Amino acid sequence: DTGVSQDPRHKITKRGQNVTFRCDPISEHNRLYWYRQTLGQGPEFLTYFQNEAQLEKSRLLSDRFSAERPKGSFSTLEIQRTEQGDSAMYLCASSLARRLEGHEQYFGPGTRLTVT
Amino acid sequence: EDKVVQSPLSLVVHEGDTVTLNCSYEVTNFRSLLWYKQEKKAPTFLFMLTSSGIEKKSGRLSSILDKKELFSILNITATQTGDSAVYLCAVGTSYDKVIFGPGTSLSVIP
Repeated sequence: DTGVSQDPRHKITKRGQNVTFRCDPISEHNRLYWYRQTLGQGPEFLTYFQNEAQLEKSRLLSDRFSAERPKGSFSTLEIQRTEQGDSAMYLCASSLARRLEGHEQYFGPGTRLTVT
Repeated sequence: EDKVVQSPLSLVVHEGDTVTLNCSYEVTNFRSLLWYKQEKKAPTFLFMLTSSGIEKKSGRLSSILDKKELFSILNITATQTGDSAVYLCAVGTSYDKVIFGPGTSLSVIP
């Protein structure tokens, strides 16, 4: 399978715990995006990387959230001191940047986080 | 603030009907408009449009963009139950950010 993969697929944690999610993009893709999606809403942008550089973070992303892509391949998203409001589906997507286009993104299956 | 609006938010049709889903946007530095289909999993890519007036087609689905009116439509003809899903519209900007709308939930009943 050469698509985007995410691990774990489901995570249940207690409030206050830290969690880390992993995303492996399509191998030739240089852009990697993280989104959060709650029921009835479209994906909400969190952050994105071009290769290993984190180019933008949403203003909605509190300092409890951090993302890395150390070698320009897989990425991790960590949430510290989780809160119940963090419960959501966390989606990763990758794309290949082109000069004029490059927003055609391919999504992974998501990690569903439940904070109790 | 950049935003993408979709209408209707939900729609129920019978098999064989034709549906039109709407997407309007207000963003700075528009670059592309994208349509995705989301069933009970991650969104799957349908179309990317960058030029006004050029229709893109894939089977029974088609889409067109109007950059003057900041608007796009997605048409589905001869709907089938397998078309039931949430259809997401998104806009890509020159800052490489992609902003999604809330989606239109389509239910096709036999």
